Amino acid sequence: DVKVTQSSRYLVKRTGEKVFLECVQDMDHENMFWYRQDPGLGLRLIYFSYDVKMKEKGDIPEGYSVSREKKERFSLILESASTNQTSMYLCASRTGTSGRARGVTGELFFGEGSRLTVL
Amino acid sequence: ILNVEQSPQSLHVQEGDSTNFTCSFPSSNFYALHWYRWETAKSPEALFVMTLNGDEKKKGRISATLNTKEGYSYLYIKGSQPEDSATYLCASGSGGYNKLIFGAGTRLAVHP
Repeated sequence: DVKVTQSSRYLVKRTGEKVFLECVQDMDHENMFWYRQDPGLGLRLIYFSYDVKMKEKGDIPEGYSVSREKKERFSLILESASTNQTSMYLCASRTGTSGRARGVTGELFFGEGSRLTVL
Repeated sequence: ILNVEQSPQSLHVQEGDSTNFTCSFPSSNFYALHWYRWETAKSPEALFVMTLNGDEKKKGRISATLNTKEGYSYLYIKGSQPEDSATYLCASGSGGYNKLIFGAGTRLAVHP
């Protein structure tokens, strides 16, 4: 059974703390993504990575950074957590499409999400 | 950022009812339309990925159609069951390389 695993389902942190959200996939996928989901809004892309050590900004990268040292692992880092980063964070992965159709024809495989509360 | 709109926002139906909801997306620079089902406390799971105008796909009691010229997709559920209760997300591949733009979802509750 293919799987995307997020390290923590629920976290509570204080303003200013550094937060690490970890994501591991076992499908040998080239592409990995971090989204956040807030009530009334669609999933918004924070960062994505198409290869080891490669990263691209998504639509809302401010306040976040990422790390991809190994193909199976993609980490989201909040250097100094703020209350407006309270959200549900979803990791996803997708196989590579070698540029075909701008890389959006393959389905995403998601983790179960990490609900972060920043006090 | 281009918008993907889903309607209705939420829907309550009785077991056995058939239902449908809509996803509207930018018709320019279209490459793919995705549908996902997201049950509470679980991961979103892909239902369909469609790329061609006129595409129709089916999985059990769930089917979807695609109109890329006018920028909409319909998701149909025939004979809804309580286990169909979930949030249904659509996403359009109009957002640039490797980027999907997600709608806010339609939350479906099927009552026994």
